[in-house]
Amino acid sequence: AQTVTQSQPEMSVQEAETVTLSCTYDTSENNYYLFWYKQPPSRQMILVIRQEAYKQQNATENRFSVNFQKAAKSFSLKISDSQLGDTAMYFCAFMISYGGSQGNLIFGKGTKLSVKP
Amino acid sequence: DVKVTQSSRYLVKRTGEKVFLECVQDMDHENMFWYRQDPGLGLRLIYFSYDVKMKEKGDIPEGYSVSREKKERFSLILESASTNQTSMYLCASSPTDGGVTEAFFGQGTRLTVV
Repeated sequence: AQTVTQSQPEMSVQEAETVTLSCTYDTSENNYYLFWYKQPPSRQMILVIRQEAYKQQNATENRFSVNFQKAAKSFSLKISDSQLGDTAMYFCAFMISYGGSQGNLIFGKGTKLSVKP
Repeated sequence: DVKVTQSSRYLVKRTGEKVFLECVQDMDHENMFWYRQDPGLGLRLIYFSYDVKMKEKGDIPEGYSVSREKKERFSLILESASTNQTSMYLCASSPTDGGVTEAFFGQGTRLTVV
């Protein structure tokens, strides 16, 4: 069975600083995707960044980047220059790719990030 | 823009009532999902569907059923609501292939069973 573990239930960071959220996962599959989703107080889940397991290069989206360590099954999210609008729940998620088709998302329990002015 | 719409943002129901949560997506996605979100537990999969009239149990299907009569609509049914089903319910959809690897979520329904 696939599992996703987020070991930090809550974190806080000062505005403009950098913060890293941890995520580890467990699977015996080779083809999969990893995601970070953000859920602000509005409750709308928003995709922050995704990583294909077959790609060695770490994904980057503006201030958001990941450190993907496939052998260690680790997928951390780094937020640079934190902004007040980054305050949200962050969920790490995993999806198996079945020969091009997609399975369901498996989520971690989330990390509540607070950005302080 | 992809849109996943859940019929209610807030819902209050009585114990024993039959409850329907509706979800509609406008992107012709094959896959649709129902998740339950509880503090400290993250999102847990209740049911998913990869085609019309097809359904698969997720991790916590007990007390729930689903219906998918049309591709764009996926309904979650609480056969006899109980207080332990008070929770946030999130619907999502995703394509089967085509290079778009992402699930799109509705805004959630916060259900309270009294």
